[in-house]
Amino acid sequence: KAGVTQTPRYLIKTRGQQVTLSCSPISGHRSVSWYQQTPGQGLQFLFEYFSETQRNKGNFPGRFSGRQFSNSRSEMNVSTLELGDSALYLCASSPMGQDSSGNTIYFGEGSWLTVV
Amino acid sequence: QKEVEQDPGPLSVPEGAIVSLNCTYSNSAFQYFMWYRQYSRKGPELLMYTYSSGNKEDGRFTAQVDKSSKYISLFIRDSQPSDSATYLCAMSGDTGRRALTFGSGTRLQVQP
Repeated sequence: KAGVTQTPRYLIKTRGQQVTLSCSPISGHRSVSWYQQTPGQGLQFLFEYFSETQRNKGNFPGRFSGRQFSNSRSEMNVSTLELGDSALYLCASSPMGQDSSGNTIYFGEGSWLTVV
Repeated sequence: QKEVEQDPGPLSVPEGAIVSLNCTYSNSAFQYFMWYRQYSRKGPELLMYTYSSGNKEDGRFTAQVDKSSKYISLFIRDSQPSDSATYLCAMSGDTGRRALTFGSGTRLQVQP
C-alpha cells in the first residue's frame, strides 16, 4: 500500500509570492491534516479536512488555507509568503475508522519550502 | 508552559542498551498517545499508538501511558545504530479531531 505522497518535495519561493502544496493520502484514508515543522516551533497543527470540509484549524494566520477534493486528495496554500514561512510542511492521513485505530495518523515525507 | 514537555537530548547510548524516552503533559483531555520516529530530512514514522492508560508492546518497543501522572514513556530494547533518530511524542483528545500536539522531540544516538 502506498504511503502519503506529497508534492513538490523541495521548492524555493520569494517573499510575497504564494505557494500550493499537494497531498495524496493513503488509499482508503478519508481524513487529511497538515502540519508545519520548524526548528524553533517544532511540529504544529495547521488544519484537518474530512469529506471536503475543514474540521479543525490550528493557530495560524488566514494566509494559510487548504482544501480537500472528493477523492480525499488535499492541497494547502500559503499566500503572501514571509521569510518565517520557511519550513517543512507535512501532510498526514488517517483512516477515520470506528475503532480506536481510526485515530492513527500517518505522515508523508513533507514538502521543504524555503522563502528568500 | 508548553502542553507537552519532552527533553530534547541528545541522548547517547551504546548499542544494545535499553533506551527510555519520556514526555509529560498538562492537558487532562488527552486520550490518544503516539510515538513517532523521524530521521533527518524525512517525515515522522508512526512507531506506537496507545489509547488511554496502560502498556503496549511491539517487538523491541514498549509504550507506557500513566494518565494519573500525565506521563508517557517509550522503551527501546536492544538498541541498534539504526535507531538513531529524533523521537517525537504526540497526543490528542477529541476522537473526532486529528489535531496532534507534539513534544519537541528527543534526539537519540546509538553508538556502535
